[in-house]
Amino acid sequence: GNSVTQMEGPVTLSEEAFLTINCTYTATGYPSLFWYVQYPGEGLQLLLKATKADDKGSNKGFEATYRKETTSFHLEKGSVQVSDSAVYFCALRNNNDMRFGAGTRLTVKP
Amino acid sequence: KAGVTQTPRYLIKTRGQQVTLSCSPISGHRSVSWYQQTPGQGLQFLFEYFSETQRNKGNFPGRFSGRQFSNSRSEMNVSTLELGDSALYLCASSLPGGNNYEQYFGPGTRLTVT
Repeated sequence: GNSVTQMEGPVTLSEEAFLTINCTYTATGYPSLFWYVQYPGEGLQLLLKATKADDKGSNKGFEATYRKETTSFHLEKGSVQVSDSAVYFCALRNNNDMRFGAGTRLTVKP
Repeated sequence: KAGVTQTPRYLIKTRGQQVTLSCSPISGHRSVSWYQQTPGQGLQFLFEYFSETQRNKGNFPGRFSGRQFSNSRSEMNVSTLELGDSALYLCASSLPGGNNYEQYFGPGTRLTVT
């Protein structure tokens, strides 16, 4: 079946530090991969997506590359800001089945 | 284009009561999914509706039910509420078909059962 495993948090970084949140998936066929972000008191917002192998999704300084050989979609940002503090969810969609990881809480301190 | 809207935003109910939550998808989106989010269990899939038919269902008891109307608006109902049903209920809509279409989420309905 389809599943997503992401790095457990919480993650605490200082402003301008480098961020990596690991995400691996299990799926047959050709899923699309997503990163969503949830700010306090809000629903999930799409951060970026990749729909085929070797695609790189990017948005607001965040990037993730769809690696089929390692079944991974790690989220990275070169220099985090306090405003990036939120919960990040890795997700996949495969044949109308949508699966989310458990979420990783990121706190960025000034 | 207006986003996904959910009503009400906050709700307080007592055990044993029932509750109905509403979701209006983005215009043109015909697929609507519901999720329950709790600190302990994370984001759990409840069900998905497409063209008024339930297409997928998560692992929740029969007390949780839903429906979709011809205008794609959806409602979910929880009967005989339990304390453990306290959660943020999220609705998401998407274009139908294919893996490329991401889901767009509403702000959620915060349900508290006392």
